[in-house]
Formats: sequence, structure tokens, C-alpha cells
Amino acid sequence: QVQLQESGPGLVKPSETLSLTCTVSGYSISSGYCWGWIRQPPGKGLEWIGSIYHSGSTYYSPSLKSRVTISVDTSKNQFSLKLSSVTAADTAVYYCARAYFDWSLWGQGTLVTVSS
Amino acid sequence: QSALTQPPSASGSPGQSVTISCTGTSSDVGGYKYVSWYQHHPGKAPKLMIYEVSERPSGVPDRFSGSKSGSTASLTVSGLQAEDEADYYCSSYTGNNNFVFGTGTKVTVL
Repeated sequence: QVQLQESGPGLVKPSETLSLTCTVSGYSISSGYCWGWIRQPPGKGLEWIGSIYHSGSTYYSPSLKSRVTISVDTSKNQFSLKLSSVTAADTAVYYCARAYFDWSLWGQGTLVTVSS
Repeated sequence: QSALTQPPSASGSPGQSVTISCTGTSSDVGGYKYVSWYQHHPGKAPKLMIYEVSERPSGVPDRFSGSKSGSTASLTVSGLQAEDEADYYCSSYTGNNNFVFGTGTKVTVL
């Protein structure tokens, strides 16, 4: 059974960098699929942040591209998100997920609050 | 890329049907067969209900169906049940390995 689990700090200060990791169990990231990050600010809808493929290629939302980095560590079967220069607008539940052309498998999500 | 447009809310009585629209452009919904729908209960992970416009993953009841006409996709839930009350989001591939989600629709079972 394939599972995804997000981890990382729940509180980040404004202007700092948000860092999250998604640990995948039951499937090797390097075997295929697209692996991505999606977020949901409080009271708002889902927003695609970006994706990384098993090849290592990355793709980012145009609106976040200047601040986002997604990377993969195949030795740990994890992929990570870094979002720099955060503001209160980046407060959200962050999900990691697996896709082909649809997001078929999701982690439970982790709330990240940006506040001093 | 702008979020796909969905109605904020939809409702129906148990046993009735409800249809949710998802309007995009020729660069997303209208240009690809990769439109999907997600059911999201607060505090839980979103669940894929429809992929590739009208395909149902294993385990999803056939009460859920999808379609597309031009740049508007639709999700229909037939025979509404109490557990169908949730937020529903559409998503579309937009080319160049990019994706976009809809604004979300809250479905209420009266």
C-alpha cells in the first residue's frame, strides 16, 4: 500500500523559508510518476505549487516559480519543498501527492502557519 | 494561469442529482482530456473521484460521473447520499507539465 506523509515545521516566521518533506512508502519514487505539492489556504481552494518527475525534472506554478524549489532524495525515498520569503499569505495546509495526469494519491496534509 | 471557475455551492435532497460545472479555457479544460475531480472532506486528504474527464477509479461509486463540452467540464452526483456532502474540486492539465485547480464547490445534502 503506497502512502505519503508530510513533515516539517508548523510555524515559520515571515521572510524565512518554509521547508517540508514528503516521505513515500510502498513505492520507489525513482520508478515513475510525478510527485507534487498542493496547498490550501484557510477558507480557500486548492492550489498546485509544483511537481518533480522521477527523472528529476521540475515544474512550478508561474505565480510561485520565483520562490519555489522542489527536490528529490531517492536514497531516502523522499521529495521536498522549499518556499522562500514567506508571508502570511503562504499560511496553508500543504499536501504532497502523486500524479500521472491526475492526483490519485495524497498525503494527509500539514498545516504551516506563517507568523512572527 | 487562472483557477478554473466553479460555482461556490450546490445542493440537493437525498436521492436527487447535483451537477457541478468547471469552466476553463482552450489552454486547459478545452485543450486536454486530463480533467479530474476530487472530493474533499474537511480535515481529510482529497480523494480522486473522476479522471480523464469521465473515468472512475476503482472503488468510486457509479453515482459519480463526469463529462466535458468545449472548455467546461461537469461532475454529476446521482442519488445523493449524506456522505456526499463535501467540497469538490476540478483540476486540469495545462500543458508543459503544469496543472490548475478549480475554485471549489461546496455540496450540501439537504
